[in-house]
Amino acid sequence: GAGVSQSPSNKVTEKGKDVELRCDPISGHTALYWYRQSLGQGLEFLIYFQGNSAPDKSGLPSDRFSAERTGGSVSTLTIQRTQQEDSAVYLCASSLGGGAGSPLHFGNGTRLTVT
Amino acid sequence: ILNVEQSPQSLHVQEGDSTNFTCSFPSSNFYALHWYRWETAKSPEALFVMTLNGDEKKKGRISATLNTKEGYSYLYIKGSQPEDSATYLCASFNKFYFGSGTKLNVKP
Repeated sequence: GAGVSQSPSNKVTEKGKDVELRCDPISGHTALYWYRQSLGQGLEFLIYFQGNSAPDKSGLPSDRFSAERTGGSVSTLTIQRTQQEDSAVYLCASSLGGGAGSPLHFGNGTRLTVT
Repeated sequence: ILNVEQSPQSLHVQEGDSTNFTCSFPSSNFYALHWYRWETAKSPEALFVMTLNGDEKKKGRISATLNTKEGYSYLYIKGSQPEDSATYLCASFNKFYFGSGTKLNVKP
């Protein structure tokens, strides 16, 4: 079946511009996660959506970052006024049920380069 | 332990060697411990989800154990093969934190 789909796969933007990254989770998965991996670093948690509950935004690094999930499905991560330190691979994952016992299914990521 | 920590950071072994890595995590408010394999140019793939103290899971030549009281998990690979070369990540799901991973390189 279809996995987690992310678009675009690559994005180059100029410093100060806004960008939107999209994630289509696996159909029926109620939990959705955003992570990023900066060069040489591990996976950094950004935000978590579970069903209709309020998202856990505790990992968002600044107020330039926001995310929404429409209709419990597609999610968009928006970065405003991009900075060079925002350059990273942004990974989206979904899981069935959202409980800690459900494995995450990852997309292939969006590589963001801020010039 | 405040964060999820993995060791070693990298590992180079010969084909046929057996190897193991460690994941340390906060033992308080434990819910689950996940292991993932992340191959170059691919997305992370789930290996194991472990929830109970003393859990042991096995998939082919790869196995994992869990000690929630002391806050650690071991991942074992028996008879490493070049296709096992990847970064192995663990994550503690009382909060969605991943360790920085162990990068395994298996030389033929």
